[in-house]
Amino acid sequence: GAGVSQSPSNKVTEKGKDVELRCDPISGHTALYWYRQRLGQGLEFLIYFQGNSAPDKSGLPSDRFSAERTGESVSTLTIQRTQQEDSAVYLCASSFTVNNEQFFGPGTRLTVL
Amino acid sequence: GESVGLHLPTLSVQEGDNSIINCAYSNSASDYFIWYKQESGKGPQFIIDIRSNMDKRQGQRVTVLLNKTVKHLSLQIAATQPGDSAVYFCAETSMNTGTASKLTFGTGTRLQVTL
Repeated sequence: GAGVSQSPSNKVTEKGKDVELRCDPISGHTALYWYRQRLGQGLEFLIYFQGNSAPDKSGLPSDRFSAERTGESVSTLTIQRTQQEDSAVYLCASSFTVNNEQFFGPGTRLTVL
Repeated sequence: GESVGLHLPTLSVQEGDNSIINCAYSNSASDYFIWYKQESGKGPQFIIDIRSNMDKRQGQRVTVLLNKTVKHLSLQIAATQPGDSAVYFCAETSMNTGTASKLTFGTGTRLQVTL
């Protein structure tokens, strides 16, 4: 596609369940980023990938959060044993290389009941 | 996506007027700054950027001003249009320390354009 796509667009889950969020970056973009956006707040950096490697995982809030990227393309963000405070919009972005403009997807709205 | 910022500071301007959105950044080591526009249900969209060796940069209808002394950034939108209604975020990072990937975002300002 022409832009970054994310799925699902909305996810409602019960506390304690695991969820997987998917990001399809722009074709040819080597860098991929995950952010979290809580209601009324700015974006919070979670993790980024250069190729399939994640040089900086410092933004992941806890060990319940993990992410992987394969084929220098699709990435999945996994949240295990979800908590209510995990409710947020999770945004993915990609860029041609690390120091280039980041293009954002529409986000996945996660609601943990 | 989801609309964001129900509790964000809001700037209301009349169509045709100029808008000024302000942002205070915290890291004196930041040397690269970006303004993003986020419409309801969409991801942020790049508007304009500026490096720390400049204090002003102009785009189409937008101007970014940087005051490093007081760590202040502003976005000026000329002749504001209804389509400019959105939440605007500033973001900062440091290119020199190799952490350009790690953008730090402000909390955002909602711009409402009235007819």
